Amino acid sequence: GESVGLHLPTLSVQEGDNSIINCAYSNSASDYFIWYKQESGKGPQFIIDIRSNMDKRQGQRVTVLLNKTVKHLSLQIAATQPGDSAVYFCAENDGGFKTIFGAGTRLFVKA
Amino acid sequence: DTAVSQTPKYLVTQMGNDKSIKCEQNLGHDTMYWYKQDSKKFLKIMFSYNNKELIINETVPNRFSPKSPDKAHLNLHINSLELGDSAVYFCASSQGVGNQPQHFGDGTRLSIL
Repeated sequence: GESVGLHLPTLSVQEGDNSIINCAYSNSASDYFIWYKQESGKGPQFIIDIRSNMDKRQGQRVTVLLNKTVKHLSLQIAATQPGDSAVYFCAENDGGFKTIFGAGTRLFVKA
Repeated sequence: DTAVSQTPKYLVTQMGNDKSIKCEQNLGHDTMYWYKQDSKKFLKIMFSYNNKELIINETVPNRFSPKSPDKAHLNLHINSLELGDSAVYFCASSQGVGNQPQHFGDGTRLSIL
């Protein structure tokens, strides 16, 4: 399940299950959204992006859904593997210079 | 070849010292960034350069001074280090600004004693 509060939100899933990581964004003018994965000791790594003229985009084992009405973004990971354990960040950009990163969600995959 | 490389990976130093972190990208990108990541993993933009011109300068103490000698390099110099500067600093690059993904280095962990 999920936990929120002072600590980084955490999602624990069983290996092989699907994971859904959610993100609420703040700027209704944002038109470009990105998901990043950060493994321990590494920098954030691009996973998938989506532009505001789409509501769904699929990659290899990952799908991003965008709901502009409620300013919500989600990342779905199919058949979650131990190597998927990491911190996941959503990010938004409104065409300007600055990309705003969300707070991050830690994904634990239980073997 | 590493796309975005930062040196050093670890930096341990005393309060009051001056230190520099270097960043180089071999992706041919025209935009580079410095981010600070705190202990709660929150990523905050500090600076950005596009074609060697400063385009983002967030509310950062003026003890922090970025320098971009060319499009492939963005260095960060920090004067009079304070305890609160302890964090992981990430360099990133992108082609253009705005609607392009950023490529990150593996970070420099700065610890102030």
